Amino acid sequence: AQTVTQSQPEMSVQEAETVTLSCTYDTSESDYYLFWYKQPPSRQMILVIRQEAYKQQNATENRFSVNFQKAAKSFSLKISDSQLGDAAMYFCAYRSTGNQFYFGTGTSLTVIP
Amino acid sequence: GAVVSQHPSWVICKSGTSVKIECRSLDFQATTMFWYRQFPKQSLMLMATSNEGSKATYEQGVEKDKFLINHASLTLSTLTVTSAHPEDSSFYICSASMMRRANEQFFGPGTRLTVL
Repeated sequence: AQTVTQSQPEMSVQEAETVTLSCTYDTSESDYYLFWYKQPPSRQMILVIRQEAYKQQNATENRFSVNFQKAAKSFSLKISDSQLGDAAMYFCAYRSTGNQFYFGTGTSLTVIP
Repeated sequence: GAVVSQHPSWVICKSGTSVKIECRSLDFQATTMFWYRQFPKQSLMLMATSNEGSKATYEQGVEKDKFLINHASLTLSTLTVTSAHPEDSSFYICSASMMRRANEQFFGPGTRLTVL
């Protein structure tokens, strides 16, 4: 099975500042998808952004963007202009060609007012 | 669109009893459904993948006789925890994907199971 590693159990950021969450993965597949999910205290998983491995261009969704380095198997999430509502657990996920998702251990993000 | 519900949201049961958790796709047909387990402050661990009308595929280490999964229709999958024990207490999350958006999974709100 593929492995997804998030090396930052906890991160904090000042409101309005920028923060980057790290994610690396291990795979032998060439075609796959990567995701960042947000899990607030309600425990509902919310899709933040996704990236197709065959696309070189980094995905962007408003204040959220990724830095996808396929050769390095790295997929970091950048949150710009951080807001209080961004505080949550963030999970990096890998979707295999068999349509199975594998999640990292998560990063708890605190936003400081 | 793409809403997934779970029922119940919270259940407490006695050790030795069985508990059924339902996962429904409310506004789309779910060709594949997934069941995850999440311990407090930990990641989601994939338990099994099920396709409508066929047997579920279980991840290594997951007891298929303990966690029975049925995907009888395109909108409903059930997870039955048989002969539950306190160590089965956890947060169970289902997700579903649809044919035309197979690259995405839509998550249910989760079910908290407490076994006394």
